[in-house]
Amino acid sequence: QQQVKQSPQSLIVQKGGISIINCAYENTAFDYFPWYQQFPGKGPALLIAIRPDVSEKKEGRFTISFNKSAKQFSLHIMDSQPGDSATYFCAASTTSGTYKYIFGTGTRLKVLA
Amino acid sequence: DAGITQSPRYKITETGRQVTLMCHQTWSHSYMFWYRQDLGHGLRLIYYSAAADITDKGEVPDGYVVSRSKTENFPLTLESATRSQTSVYFCASGGPHSYEQYFGPGTRLTVT
Repeated sequence: QQQVKQSPQSLIVQKGGISIINCAYENTAFDYFPWYQQFPGKGPALLIAIRPDVSEKKEGRFTISFNKSAKQFSLHIMDSQPGDSATYFCAASTTSGTYKYIFGTGTRLKVLA
Repeated sequence: DAGITQSPRYKITETGRQVTLMCHQTWSHSYMFWYRQDLGHGLRLIYYSAAADITDKGEVPDGYVVSRSKTENFPLTLESATRSQTSVYFCASGGPHSYEQYFGPGTRLTVT
């Protein structure tokens, strides 16, 4: 029940295309859903996060869509660029308590020039 | 500069040796976390700390020990390293006023 399932494991997209990464969770107590971006040799960096009181959050080319009833959320990268090539992790947490994250297993995105 | 640092960045050690990975943050965040990153497993929580002298186990704590005598430092010790502990280790910090976690640059540990 603590798992966060992430798909796909890897993704190849043409420059200018839309990259979509999906995550699903079981624990209905989760109420904070961040996405992290990680470049090779670096630590993960927070990209965007959403709370379940909204169904969508957009920051520049990055959008989180959230479906509370289906217990799913996804990251959309519009107009994907080669510089977006990285590994993306979704995570889930509860805002009451320990601030612990449960991470998905990651998606390696490659954007072709 | 403010931030979160880890040392060493790279470490090679032998099976059975004790090794300590250091983590230091300058934000005065109350929470600190240790993760390991392995292919196919993503980031798994080893231990976390809510404040100085308060620590608790995460998902994969076996073989690891932590302490937190000062808010800014959170060392992770492998008491007797095993090959299965070869991994990249990340420290993170956050809270109490936001839910974001900020990650350090990582330590790549190889146990031979």
